[in-house]
Amino acid sequence: AQSVTQPDIHITVSEGASLELRCNYSYGATPYLFWYVQSPGQGLQLLLKYFSGDTLVQGIKGFEAEFKRSQSSFNLRKPSVHWSDAAEYFCAVGDGNKLVFGAGTILRVKS
Amino acid sequence: EAQVTQNPRYLITVTGKKLTVTCSQNMNHEYMSWYRQDPGLGLRQIYYSMNVEVTDKGDVPEGYKVSRKEKRNFPLILESPSPNQTSLYFCASSTRPGLYNEQFFGPGTRLTVL
Repeated sequence: AQSVTQPDIHITVSEGASLELRCNYSYGATPYLFWYVQSPGQGLQLLLKYFSGDTLVQGIKGFEAEFKRSQSSFNLRKPSVHWSDAAEYFCAVGDGNKLVFGAGTILRVKS
Repeated sequence: EAQVTQNPRYLITVTGKKLTVTCSQNMNHEYMSWYRQDPGLGLRQIYYSMNVEVTDKGDVPEGYKVSRKEKRNFPLILESPSPNQTSLYFCASSTRPGLYNEQFFGPGTRLTVL
């Protein structure tokens, strides 16, 4: 079965600092990878997705992610975090007719 | 505005009292799905529907039912809720089944079963 691991349950960064959220996946074939963000009390919003091609993917809100097949990773990055980025972030892999999600990483931003 | 709506947003009920959580999308999407979100577990799929009258089990279907009589609606039914079904529920839809398509999520329904 496919699986997604997000090793960090919580991360705290200072406003203006860079951010990297880790995601490792287990998938037999070419993975279809997604990052979603969930703001408090909100549904999930797609930040970016990777299907094929360029391994560096640009998303909304200044986020990017890099697919590294050799490391089975799809880490999310942002060069400068804003207080409004505080939320929970989910990495997911497409598996047939569903998304398989990681457990999520809660991002706290301190001023 | 293109959206997925869920009702109710919050619900507190007692064990064994049947309930229905509605989900509706206005994007003419063929594919719809229900997930539950629990701390430390992320989101897990309960049921999904590829089109009208076509539904199938996800990873955690026990204790749930669904129906898809119309393209826009995909209600989740708990016929005899139990405390272990206390969770945050999300409905999602997509243009068609498959890995390429972004799933659009509703705002969530927080259910507490006492």
